Amino acid sequence: AQSVTQLDSQVPVFEEAPVELRCNYSSSVSVYLFWYVQYPNQGLQLLLKYLSGSTLVKGINGFEAEFNKSQTSFHLRKPSVHISDTAEYFCAVSQNSGNTPLVFGKGTRLSVIA
Amino acid sequence: DGGITQSPKYLFRKEGQNVTLSCEQNLNHDAMYWYRQDPGQGLRLIYYSQIVNDFQKGDIAEGYSVSREKKESFPLTVTSAQKNPTAFYLCASRPPEGAQFFGPGTRLTVL
Repeated sequence: AQSVTQLDSQVPVFEEAPVELRCNYSSSVSVYLFWYVQYPNQGLQLLLKYLSGSTLVKGINGFEAEFNKSQTSFHLRKPSVHISDTAEYFCAVSQNSGNTPLVFGKGTRLSVIA
Repeated sequence: DGGITQSPKYLFRKEGQNVTLSCEQNLNHDAMYWYRQDPGQGLRLIYYSQIVNDFQKGDIAEGYSVSREKKESFPLTVTSAQKNPTAFYLCASRPPEGAQFFGPGTRLTVL
């Protein structure tokens, strides 16, 4: 079984500052990793995914994440945030085969301050 | 446009009533999922289906039921046995070896 820990429930940051949202996972098998964003009262939108290949993954809206197998981490970063990045961010993991369900962390609320 | 639709967007239920949440996808995905979201708890898996006419319980299946008679549809019934059904419900589908796509959600409130 897999599990995900998002280490910060809330992250406040000033506009145009860099941000890192932390995610650690545990799994006994090889995994796929994902970051999703959720705006109020909406579904989840995929930001980026790691399936295989390069450990540095670039996504939409200027976000990127790095898969670190030895530290079992998949932290999300953005060099300069905007007010519009204010949202809930979820890290998720699944085993790397088939259509097994994703397991989600509890989310990190990113608040960008003007 | 390809995607996932959920209806209704808001749903109100009296205690003791069963209600059914609709989920339809035109992405031609075999796998579909139902999650429940509560504040501060992330997403918890209720049921999932990897193929038509087959489905499996997730972590919190008690008080819920599903059917998968068509590839495009995966309705969720919240029964009167679910003691605390007020939540935001999210449906998703997934291609093989890919990411899940989510619908817009249904917010269920018990009056």
